[in-house]
Amino acid sequence: ETGVTQSPTHLIKTRGQQVTLRCSSQSGHNTVSWYQQALGQGPQFIFQYYREEENGRGNFPPRFSGLQFPNYSSELNVNALELDDSALYLCASSGVYEQYFGPGTRLTVT
Amino acid sequence: GIQVEQSPPDLILQEGANSTLRCNFSDSVNNLQWFHQNPWGQLINLFYIPSGTKQNGRLSATTVATERYSLLYISSSQTTDSGVYFCAVPSAGTASKLTFGTGTRLQVTL
Repeated sequence: ETGVTQSPTHLIKTRGQQVTLRCSSQSGHNTVSWYQQALGQGPQFIFQYYREEENGRGNFPPRFSGLQFPNYSSELNVNALELDDSALYLCASSGVYEQYFGPGTRLTVT
Repeated sequence: GIQVEQSPPDLILQEGANSTLRCNFSDSVNNLQWFHQNPWGQLINLFYIPSGTKQNGRLSATTVATERYSLLYISSSQTTDSGVYFCAVPSAGTASKLTFGTGTRLQVTL
């Protein structure tokens, strides 16, 4: 059984650019959630995908969007990057009771 | 939405000491997870504990759902226990959206 994987591990972008982050869920899990973790804070829920449909969204603007594919892997897209988007982005896949997190992608916006 | 507070915010221990971390939540929950975030950002599942007590090696956790709190006990602490400990509970209406607590940053010294 493979765990949750994310790519890339680190990324540096310039303000105004667009970025795509990727996540492969744990085998057998059809629900993927994305979280943003700013420095020194706890993770904040962005949105969740269940069977390729968005299933809940946190307090993030529409320039944060996502996709889930038939194999349940997922992408997080962020348009028009702002300096405050610099953070650790975490993907989680859901088992019956627990969420399991990937190692994260650290995004720096300059 | 549900509020989750953790205490203490910071804790410094000498190796071998014991500690208790607390998580208070503002509404009834049917799910609670404890995580350890290592210095590289990886969130590691410690416990899924909606109620009762569980133990795993030197760690144990107790949730008293009726009184809206959970405790994480670390015994005989080791330097590898250093990092940030988060509790997280699901928000009402969304099965898997987790609201994270404020975190306890633990440093274990030799």
